[in-house]
Amino acid sequence: EADIYQTPRYLVIGTGKKITLECSQTMGHDKMYWYQQDPGMELHLIHYSYGVNSTEKGDLSSESTVSRIRTEHFPLTLESARPSHTSQYLCASSGGQFNQPQHFGDGTRLSIL
Amino acid sequence: AQSVAQPEDQVNVAEGNPLTVKCTYSVSGNPYLFWYVQYPNRGLQFLLKYITGDNLVKGSYGFEAEFNKSQTSFHLKKPSALVSDSALYFCAVRDDTGFQKLVFGTGTRLLVSP
Repeated sequence: EADIYQTPRYLVIGTGKKITLECSQTMGHDKMYWYQQDPGMELHLIHYSYGVNSTEKGDLSSESTVSRIRTEHFPLTLESARPSHTSQYLCASSGGQFNQPQHFGDGTRLSIL
Repeated sequence: AQSVAQPEDQVNVAEGNPLTVKCTYSVSGNPYLFWYVQYPNRGLQFLLKYITGDNLVKGSYGFEAEFNKSQTSFHLKKPSALVSDSALYFCAVRDDTGFQKLVFGTGTRLLVSP
């Protein structure tokens, strides 16, 4: 099992709240990713980072922001949650060699009321 | 630009029968191909990858995949399906010409009946 952890696993919260989804990995991977996935559907890359203090937006436009202050930590923040943000958010990491697989956390299922 | 297609939304197979989940890809450079499985309420789990070498790649849980360069395909196979194999399967590709962004297919749901 890969050592990548996401908290919380489930979150139900009201509109307008500020939310931070946590992602941590203990493998020393330099690259980390955030994906958005509606249940049983395809994955959409929303943010990625290939090292400390380096972040980029992915293919899917997202109102969320990310930070990478430490190698092992890659939190995602929504400043003001809306019902359209309801989805599952998956965090992943990969090592330096680009032929290595990404390792995924178990996700955070977010519901905005 | 790179892309990957999984033409079947769902594959149904009886337990004990062989299964195939199809994947075709398009990349500019050399393809690096991956298969992942996702169980309900879980993240994706890595099954196997093709980087170079033998066209038949063996992975976890008895799965294997065959790389076919001329057909640009990387179909996932298993000789004898188990009910516990029922899950969502994703094919993914990245190439070696730029930053290693992984492109995922839309997923194929495998349903193995007893």
